[in-house]
Amino acid sequence: EVQLLESGGGLVQPGGSLRLSCEASGFSFSDYAMNWVRQAPGKGLEWVSGISGSGGTTYYVDSVKGRFTISRDNSKNTLFLEMNSLRAEDTALYYCAKYMILFGGVYDASDIWGQGTMVTVSS
Amino acid sequence: DIVLTQSPGTLSLSPGERATLSCRASQSVSSSFLAWYQQKRGRSPRLLIYGASNRATGIPDRFSGSGSGTDFTLTISRLEPEDFAVYYCQQYGSSPWAFGQGTKVEIK
Repeated sequence: EVQLLESGGGLVQPGGSLRLSCEASGFSFSDYAMNWVRQAPGKGLEWVSGISGSGGTTYYVDSVKGRFTISRDNSKNTLFLEMNSLRAEDTALYYCAKYMILFGGVYDASDIWGQGTMVTVSS
Repeated sequence: DIVLTQSPGTLSLSPGERATLSCRASQSVSSSFLAWYQQKRGRSPRLLIYGASNRATGIPDRFSGSGSGTDFTLTISRLEPEDFAVYYCQQYGSSPWAFGQGTKVEIK
């Protein structure tokens, strides 16, 4: 069964840091691009960042550029999101999602989603 | 950046009725790289449609997508009880991969 399991969320003070992880199983992880999507409480979906299968190409929404870093460890089937200088507006449920096409890039829809990990930025 | 605007914000319908959801882009979406997702309360999004009109694996044929350029539509031919949810469109033709604000389909 194809599965994505996020972890690493929690409560952090403004200006703090967190590292989210997403462990993948049931598919050849390195063959697929991946992304992070977040959802603030009671709000809609917001795409945050994407990464190619090799990890060599990354993309970010403007609001997180310079603060967040997406990366992956294909030997451990794990996707990461390093979040620094966190702000109240970063409070959200963070989903890890797999892009659909085998050997495709990030110009793709997401067909598998994790359950999400909650990040709360508050003093 | 491409901005997606979905309408209506809320659609109140009865089971068995037809639902028509609209997604309009601020500029043309390249190669019809437009997807639709369904999200039920407390659940993760589920991919319904990709490439504007292609159903994802396991999606019933009562769901259909159409459109190109800047105007896209998701149609649910006959609403089933499990279809009442929030629906999002997303463009993935150019970064950032924006979502629309969502359309809630509720029971009338």
